Amino acid sequence: DAGVIQSPRHEVTEMGQEVTLRCKPISGHDYLFWYRQTMMRGLELLIYFNNNVPIDDSGMPEDRFSAKMPNASFSTLKIQPSEPRDSAVYFCASSLGAKTARKQYFGPGTRLTVT
Amino acid sequence: AQKITQTQPGMFVQEKEAVTLDCTYDTSDPSYGLFWYKQPSSGEMIFLIYQGSYDQQNATEGRYSLNFQKARKSANLVISASQLGDSAMYFCALSGGSYIPTFGRGTSLIVHP
Repeated sequence: DAGVIQSPRHEVTEMGQEVTLRCKPISGHDYLFWYRQTMMRGLELLIYFNNNVPIDDSGMPEDRFSAKMPNASFSTLKIQPSEPRDSAVYFCASSLGAKTARKQYFGPGTRLTVT
Repeated sequence: AQKITQTQPGMFVQEKEAVTLDCTYDTSDPSYGLFWYKQPSSGEMIFLIYQGSYDQQNATEGRYSLNFQKARKSANLVISASQLGDSAMYFCALSGGSYIPTFGRGTSLIVHP
C-alpha cells in the first residue's frame, strides 16, 4: 500500500517567493495533519482537516500560511511570501479517526530552505 | 489542555542492552491514546507503538514495549536488545478526546557497538 506522499522532498527558494507543498494522504483516511519541525520549536501542528474540512488552524503562524484540501486525496500548504524563518521540515500525516485510536501515518517530509 | 514531557534530551546504550525512554503526560480527557514515534537521521517519522488509556495490558510490538502507569501518568518506551539501527530521535505523543495530537520534544538515543 502506498503511504502518505509529499512533494517536493526538498525546496530551496528565495525570500519573498511563493512556496506550495503538496500532500496525498493514504486512501480512506479521513484526517489530515500538517506539521512543521524545527530545532527550536520541535514538532508543531499547523492545521488539520477532517473529511476535507479544516477543523483547527490555530497553529498556522501567520496569514502568509494557508492550507487547502479540495478533495480527499490532495492537500496543499502554501506560504506567500516566504521568509527565511519559514525554513523547516514540513510533514503531512493522515489517520483513520476512531475515537482515540489516532495512529498517524507520516509522509517523508519536505525540507524547505528560504534564503 | 494536553501536555507531554520527555525529560531526557539524550540517552546512550550499549548494543544488545535494554533502554527505557521516559514520557510523562497530562490530560483531562478520560479517554486518550499514547504513541511513540521514531525519527532516524533520514527524517521520516515512524510509528512504533500505541497504548489506549483503557487497555488492560501494556502494549508490545516486537522489541518495543510501553510501560504504561496510568496513576503516575507515565508511558515509558522500553527497547529490548538494542541494535545500532535503533539510534534515532524518539517522540512520545498524546491524543485525547479533541483528537489534536500533542508531541513531546523528543529524546535522542545513541546505541554504541
